Amino acid sequence: GAVVSQHPSWVICKSGTSVKIECRSLDFQATTMFWYRQFPKQSLMLMATSNEGSKATYEQGVEKDKFLINHASLTLSTLTVTSAHPEDSSFYICSASGDRTHSPLHFGNGTRLTVT
Amino acid sequence: DQQVKQNSPSLSVQEGRISILNCDYTNSMFDYFLWYKKYPAEGPTFLISISSIKDKNEDGRFTVFLNKSAKHLSLHIVPSQPGDSAVYFCAASAAGAGSYQLTFGKGTKLSVIP
Repeated sequence: GAVVSQHPSWVICKSGTSVKIECRSLDFQATTMFWYRQFPKQSLMLMATSNEGSKATYEQGVEKDKFLINHASLTLSTLTVTSAHPEDSSFYICSASGDRTHSPLHFGNGTRLTVT
Repeated sequence: DQQVKQNSPSLSVQEGRISILNCDYTNSMFDYFLWYKKYPAEGPTFLISISSIKDKNEDGRFTVFLNKSAKHLSLHIVPSQPGDSAVYFCAASAAGAGSYQLTFGKGTKLSVIP
């Protein structure tokens, strides 16, 4: 089945530094990738939608300058958390879609970000 | 304003019995519903889905029921197994929302007791 690989699985960084998270679709071309964030005991909250070759669409309340998304190829999207602060500590999950008809999204295994 | 609600944060079921996880939604534009299973520190794994044109979809031990008039869906797992212990998320999408932008509920933690 379709596989989405997310890397790294966990990262610890110091406040003020930037962290890049990669999301790759391994056996299909992902025209659309989604980035979610999950707080403990909370739902997965959609942060942004990225289409290959175009600018990402951010959900209301998500700072586009803080969470930089690049979807330069059909198999890779990156999320960069810039100038990270402790409140950015969270579980970030990407998902990918290969077509526009209804079918399940495939999720990466997530990245646990801890900002100290 | 939560459009997808899973009102039970947790559920405990004896092994072999039926697990019923419930989900309610408020957006009448939703036309496709999915259930995902999630283990800690992992991404969600797709379980089963249902289109709004159906009221039931079955896949092995998993059955999803949809009651559009009540804006309610449920996931039945029978018989429940210890390996089913995980957090289950209900998700919904609307036609025209782009390649499935999913709206998730908060999840229900299922514990299957051996």
